[in-house]
Amino acid sequence: GENVEQHPSTLSVQEGDSAVIKCTYSDSASNYFPWYKQELGKRPQLIIDIRSNVGEKKDQRIAVTLNKTAKHFSLHITETQPEDSAVYFCAAGTSYDKVIFGPGTSLSVIP
Amino acid sequence: GAGVSQSPSNKVTEKGKDVELRCDPISGHTALYWYRQSLGQGLEFLIYFQGNSAPDKSGLPSDRFSAERTGGSVSTLTIQRTQQEDSAVYLCASRWGFEQYFGPGTRLTVT
Repeated sequence: GENVEQHPSTLSVQEGDSAVIKCTYSDSASNYFPWYKQELGKRPQLIIDIRSNVGEKKDQRIAVTLNKTAKHFSLHITETQPEDSAVYFCAAGTSYDKVIFGPGTSLSVIP
Repeated sequence: GAGVSQSPSNKVTEKGKDVELRCDPISGHTALYWYRQSLGQGLEFLIYFQGNSAPDKSGLPSDRFSAERTGGSVSTLTIQRTQQEDSAVYLCASRWGFEQYFGPGTRLTVT
């Protein structure tokens, strides 16, 4: 089955700097890679996703890249703000099977 | 439209008692997932329902845990003879196609 690893487990950046979180997956059949943000005490919220037919997707300050050959994908947050502080989860799967989550990255943005 | 809902939002039970947790998915979503999240931890997959197919129970931690989905809609997760290590937030998510949406969770405390 699918196995997703995520690094780093914790990340601290200064406000305005960029943050990068990296994930690897094991199942070459996976074609869908979402990222979720979970603020303290709240449910995970989908912030961006990428499908295997593209290598990069951007939404304002957030971008994701995908390298299917190497089986890794990354989340990039530019111009970080204190409200970006949260736990971020990557995931991998398909539209017809379960999605497996990485262990999470706790991001702290220092004002 | 309405999102995924879960009830109760909080449940305190004594060790050894049975509990039932309910999930109402987004109308029309064919896939439904249950996850467990212990304090400060990641999203542990428990069980997955997809349409009329047999559920994927590969994540259930013991035979004390079971789940059903009636009429392809509402799902109930049952934990029998609860133990203190069952204390966690239980999250339900539903999905149609690629995107998966989480409910607010049920916080279970076993005393």
